[in-house]
Amino acid sequence: DIQMTQSPSSLSAFVGDRVTITCRASQGISNHLAWFQQRPGKAPKSLIFAASSLQSGVPPKFSGRGSGTEFTLTIISLQPEDFATYYCQQYNSYPYTFGQGTKLEIK
Amino acid sequence: QVQLQESGPGLLKPSQTLSLTCSVSGGSISSGVYYWTWIRQHPGRGLEWIGYIYNSGNTYYNPSLKGRVSMSVDTSMNHFSLKMPSVTAADTAVYFCATDDGESLEHWGQGTLVTVSS
Repeated sequence: DIQMTQSPSSLSAFVGDRVTITCRASQGISNHLAWFQQRPGKAPKSLIFAASSLQSGVPPKFSGRGSGTEFTLTIISLQPEDFATYYCQQYNSYPYTFGQGTKLEIK
Repeated sequence: QVQLQESGPGLLKPSQTLSLTCSVSGGSISSGVYYWTWIRQHPGRGLEWIGYIYNSGNTYYNPSLKGRVSMSVDTSMNHFSLKMPSVTAADTAVYFCATDDGESLEHWGQGTLVTVSS
């Protein structure tokens, strides 16, 4: 299985800040990488697919980059609703696997 | 807009069979657009992809579940199902159904908590 490792595991930031989360794959996955946001008690919400393509309806404050084994998710101008847990997921090969999550908290 | 809703027993005893259904609205399960997918999340932990079923009946299951998983599709009811026999406490999790178009897990159900306890 492809292992996905996110860093950091948790992150504190102020409203208005810009943050970047990194996701590394244990082997090359081309651009077959997605990002999700999960708020407590809710289902994950798809933000980005194909490493950098924004899901319909997702604001452009979210952006993704990368290919191969290293990927990033950047969120600008943090608002209270952005404080959540973020997951990366590879879909290059089965079984699909997720990163362990990055919890973004308000400072 | 496709919408998904999981249903099934929330409490099971060890060794019983987990049986969940995902009802699909806003689209046909026969459309061929999606791989119909199950994912679970153990309490306070990350996400585990369980597998998918296509409308043809083709499936792929996560090998980590060691052959304990089976999925089926009912096109007449527009729903798909998950079965896992012989559950243990380790199967306690929130179970989500989702759509996979090959690029993204775009649509998700709200999730249903299944607790395995004697």
